[in-house]
Amino acid sequence: SAVISQKPSRDICQRGTSLTIQCQVDSQVTMMFWYRQQPGQSLTLIATANQGSEATYESGFVIDKFPISRPNLTFSTLTVSNMSPEDSSIYLCSVEDLDRGNTGELFFGEGSRLTVL
Amino acid sequence: GQNIDQPTEMTATEGAIVQINCTYQTSGFNGLFWYQQHAGEAPTFLSYNVLDGLEEKGRFSSFLSRSKGYSYLLLKELQMKDSASYLCAVRDSNYQLIWGAGTKLIIKP
Repeated sequence: SAVISQKPSRDICQRGTSLTIQCQVDSQVTMMFWYRQQPGQSLTLIATANQGSEATYESGFVIDKFPISRPNLTFSTLTVSNMSPEDSSIYLCSVEDLDRGNTGELFFGEGSRLTVL
Repeated sequence: GQNIDQPTEMTATEGAIVQINCTYQTSGFNGLFWYQQHAGEAPTFLSYNVLDGLEEKGRFSSFLSRSKGYSYLLLKELQMKDSASYLCAVRDSNYQLIWGAGTKLIIKP
């Protein structure tokens, strides 16, 4: 299993500002995933953070709005830029467990709950 | 399009059994996952099915029928701590995870 630390755990932000969320994993992983979970809704994948290359963004998400860094195999950041109230959500970092016969289950960080006023 | 359907909310009594259903329509199939998510916390892995049949793990069991695009999560001897949301997720042919919206399970004494 992987232990994932995410910070901040929560924040209240002003419209138009940007916030960077950090994700630290206790082991080296190839891919790290950033999800968004809006109240009462499903998990939505924002992007996959790859070490040594650009992040891969899902449809509807762009690098200018959600820039991602992946400087090494244990750390990643997600920035939510020029925030609006619609960005109020829980942002989750996750990694895939490939040690258990390749089931590919995900481990998640505690999440960062952002409220944009 | 790809779609995962599960009930929005269910209520059950402590000590009883509850079955949470999940139906899916995806581009290919490479496994189905169930996760538990307590309010304000991150999802945690419960079970994985890739072949038809029942997988049992303590009080929790998960069933899969690939021909029907159907799975269920069975929770026995319900405890108050089982109150949580239960998320169904399917890995498609591109190894993308498609997530259901989750079923909020309320346990009453």
